[in-house]
Parts: sequence; structure tokens; C-alpha cells
Amino acid sequence: DQQVKQNSPSLSVQEGRISILNCDYTNSMFDYFLWYKKYPAEGPTFLISISSIKDKNEDGRFTVFLNKSAKHLSLHIVPSQPGDSAVYFCAASATSYGKLTFGQGTILTVHP
Amino acid sequence: NAGVTQTPKFQVLKTGQSMTLQCAQDMNHNSMYWYRQDPGMGLRLIYYSASEGTTDKGEVPNGYNVSRLNKREFSLRLESAAPSQTSVYFCASSDLNLSNQPQHFGDGTRLSIL
Repeated sequence: DQQVKQNSPSLSVQEGRISILNCDYTNSMFDYFLWYKKYPAEGPTFLISISSIKDKNEDGRFTVFLNKSAKHLSLHIVPSQPGDSAVYFCAASATSYGKLTFGQGTILTVHP
Repeated sequence: NAGVTQTPKFQVLKTGQSMTLQCAQDMNHNSMYWYRQDPGMGLRLIYYSASEGTTDKGEVPNGYNVSRLNKREFSLRLESAAPSQTSVYFCASSDLNLSNQPQHFGDGTRLSIL
């Protein structure tokens, strides 16, 4: 049973436009959500997070939105840059030793 | 500033061979984790260690053992490798004494079992 799902395997966006990556979860115990970015042959790199007490968190070009009633979160990248091309994973944690449950990942390609 | 270091980076094994994947972190984190990444499945937790001296199973522990050697090091052992264990293995660490801290990952070990 996949508790965290990223239903879009890939997304293609033009440079300068907005990229929106989506993630759904089923476990209502999750209270901390993260996005990681991964380049080939490297480990995932932390991008941005949000606690369940918030519905929005911004960091520069990156904004994460959380809709608890819909069990849905999204990552907005504005403006998108070619260097943003990578695999993006969403992850969730219940307050239990910080164990993360990951989604399948979305491959973002930003075209110049 | 090395962060999380994994060795080796690549390894090819024959079915039935054993091997230990090494992980060390220099961030003084108390918690460490082992994940595997397979195509289309994201990262799945194999084992974790919430603090030095403790280990516990994650989502996919069968066929693996772990050792938390000290605060810095957390190793993953395959006693009798199987082709189904062909994967990319990632080690991560975090500081659970600080609330909502992200995990930091190493660059992975790419393991092929023939």
C-alpha cells in the first residue's frame, strides 16, 4: 500500500514558467512533509519542508503548499530554470524517529 | 565538510556472496538510516538507528542486517546476496533532538547481483 504517491512520472516545462509538482498521501498520522531533489549519480538533497500546522512555506523560488483535508501537497518552482531539471521526491513523516516514507518521484525537465 | 560518506560507490556480486556497505557521517547526528531505491518505487527504508546502540526494522528489512558501530558509523550487511537485492542503496542521517530536521543523504552505493 503506497502511502505517499506522486502520480506524474514526468513533467516538462519551459524555462521561466512555473513548475508544479504534486503529491498525495493517505496516512493521517503524517505531520511533516519534505521535498528532495535528486541529480543522477548523487544522493537526494533536501529542498524544502512543511509542518502540518502550516499550509504554505516559501524559500526563494520554491513554495510548498499543504492541503490537509485533501491530503495533498504541491511544490511550486517559479521561475523554472534548466538547472532545476532533476528527479523530485516528496516524503512524509509521522513523529516517530523521523522515518520517511517517499513517493515514487517525478522527473522534471526544464527546457531552455 | 563531507556530510554522509558511503563506501563503496559501486559493487558487483555473485548470488550467495556476502558484503557490507559502509556509511559514516560527520555531522554529529544521532539517527541514521538505510534506504534502497528501485525504479518506479522511490526510496524504501530498510533499517534505521534512532540513536547509538539501537536499531530497528523499516519497510523492507528481509535479507539485511545492520550494525550501529558508534555514533558516526552505520553499516548494512547482505549475508547471502540475491538478484532481487540489486539496487541503489542510500544512507542518511539526521538529528532527532531538533524537531523537524531533514535527513541528509550520501551519494549511494550501486549494487548489482548476478
